[in-house]
This record gives sequence, structure tokens and C-alpha cells, in this order.
Amino acid sequence: AQSVAQPEDQVNVAEGNPLTVKCTYSVSGNPYLFWYVQYPNRGLQFLLKYITGDNLVKGSYGFEAEFNKSQTSFHLKKPSALVSDSALYFCAVRDPSGNTPLVFGKGTRLSVIA
Amino acid sequence: EPEVTQTPSHQVTQMGQEVILRCVPISNHLYFYWYRQILGQKVEFLVSFYNNEISEKSEIFDDQFSVERPDGSNFTLKIRSTKLEDSAMYFCASSEEGQGGQPQHFGDGTRLSIL
Repeated sequence: AQSVAQPEDQVNVAEGNPLTVKCTYSVSGNPYLFWYVQYPNRGLQFLLKYITGDNLVKGSYGFEAEFNKSQTSFHLKKPSALVSDSALYFCAVRDPSGNTPLVFGKGTRLSVIA
Repeated sequence: EPEVTQTPSHQVTQMGQEVILRCVPISNHLYFYWYRQILGQKVEFLVSFYNNEISEKSEIFDDQFSVERPDGSNFTLKIRSTKLEDSAMYFCASSEEGQGGQPQHFGDGTRLSIL
């Protein structure tokens, strides 16, 4: 069965500093990996995905993520954090075979401090 | 940019009553999903729907739940005989295709409160 782990409930970073939100996954075969962001009282917004190819994928709002197969990780990164990046971030995995559901991690709350 | 819209944004219902949560997926999308998020917990899959039938459902999606696409635009989740533990945010999502690489686009959710 697929699973996703986000080991940190909360990440605090100063504005302008680089940020990393961690995600590891467990899936048989090659995974499809996603990051979503949730702002207060809003739904989940798609940020980026890894399907195949280059291990570094770029997404919305300056975010990027690095797929590392040997470490089964897909950490979300941004070179310079903004206060407006403060939100709840979810990593998700999907079995590439057919119309399968997203399996989400428990989420990591990012707080960017001015 | 097209969005998934959900109504109502907040629903308060007495335990034992039936509720219908409504969603309008993005117009050219063919695959539809419901997820829920109990306060402070992870987002959980409920059901996926394609071509007017359920594709997959989780163990959460028991006989108390049903989904329907009553017309060409709406996608509904019905919860019969609601229980306190049904209180959660319910998210509708849609995708253009069902293949794993297609991102699912989510609505803003309906907060369901069972009293």
C-alpha cells in the first residue's frame, strides 16, 4: 500500500531564508508525487508534480521539489521564503496504474516570520 | 482559471439527518473525487467517479454515502443518517484524465458540522 510521511508538523523560517518541507514515500513501483498547499479556509492548490524525467521539478510560486529515489524522498524547497508562503503543505503519492486516489501525508504547517 | 466550486461553504445539521453536498467540477474534466479532512487530520480519499459510476471507493465510503451526477454539471455527495463523526471538511476534486500524472483540482470545501 502507498503511504506518505511528513515528519515535521511545523516548520518555521525567517523571511528571505531558504525553506525545506520534507516528504518521504512508500510505494511499489515508480511513484507519481505531488505537492499541494492549503491556505486558511481554502481547498488544496496544486503546486507541482513528479512523474518522470528530471529529478528537480519546478512549480508555482517559485517552489521546487527534488525527487530522490534512493532515499524515497520528495522534499519541497524554495530559495527565499515569503511571509505569504505561510500555509499548510501536503505531500501526496499516487499509484501510476489507472484512476487511483491520491494518498496524502498529514501535512506540514509552514510559518514564515518577517 | 477554471475552478471547482462547492456549495454550501458551511452546513450545520442535526445528527441523523441527511445532507447533500454539491460540487461543480471544471467543465472539461471527466473524473471526479470526494475527499474529507477531519479537523487536524490528514486528507482522506472517499470515492472516485467516472462515466456515471464509481471507479473506486475507500473503506470510509460505506452504505451511508452515495454520489451522483444528476446533470451535466453537478456532482453530489449524499450522507444519510449523519453521525457526529461525519463532522469534517469535504473536498470535491476533478481531473481532466484519470491517469496518475494528471493533477486533481480541488474546491474550497464544505465544512460539515453535525450537532
